[in-house]
Amino acid sequence: NAGVMQNPRHLVRRRGQEARLRCSPMKGHSHVYWYRQLPEEGLKFMVYLQKENIIDESGMPKERFSAEFPKEGPSILRIQQVVRGDSAAYFCASSPLGAASPYEQYFGPGTRLTVT
Amino acid sequence: AQSVSQHNHHVILSEAASLELGCNYSYGGTVNLFWYVQYPGQHLQLLLKYFSGDPLVKGIKGFEAEFIKSKFSFNLRKPSVQWSDTAEYFCAVNSYTGKLIFGQGTTLQVKP
Repeated sequence: NAGVMQNPRHLVRRRGQEARLRCSPMKGHSHVYWYRQLPEEGLKFMVYLQKENIIDESGMPKERFSAEFPKEGPSILRIQQVVRGDSAAYFCASSPLGAASPYEQYFGPGTRLTVT
Repeated sequence: AQSVSQHNHHVILSEAASLELGCNYSYGGTVNLFWYVQYPGQHLQLLLKYFSGDPLVKGIKGFEAEFIKSKFSFNLRKPSVQWSDTAEYFCAVNSYTGKLIFGQGTTLQVKP
């Protein structure tokens, strides 16, 4: 059973460009979470999605950031008009059930975004 | 708001020393608690978890943690660390909405 897949692993963008980060959850998992790890900080929750639904986006910046998890295909985290402060590691996690269910989240290897 | 606090940001130990990493959380309801580890250059892996039952939980690689509800704590322990335990350790709480709330992380450096 393949783990959580993220691509690309490394992404370099110039200020003002768009960044698209992809996450394929583990087989059988329908809940996806995105987290961001800024330098010298812990992981911060961004958004929680189920297929075709955003369940909780309380950690997502109001502007320039969006996320989706379509019926088919991977979950996408999109950052428009990137700025230097967006440079971070973005981790995706998946679980078979959501909310406060007794299932841990399985993490992908992360995408390291560098904005130049 | 829920929060998780890890007391030690950077710990340096010699091999065979005992380890205890502190973790406190603030949340009044039922919680699920986790310790994750991130080895250099790798992604987060689950060390252990607490959902209910015996408050002393055992994880992989000889790690254990004790949930003390009255102290809102979930400290991680290992009796004898190895050089290969050098990594960053994160305590996390699973909120009622499903998202994990992480502590700031503790970097453990084990000297051979």
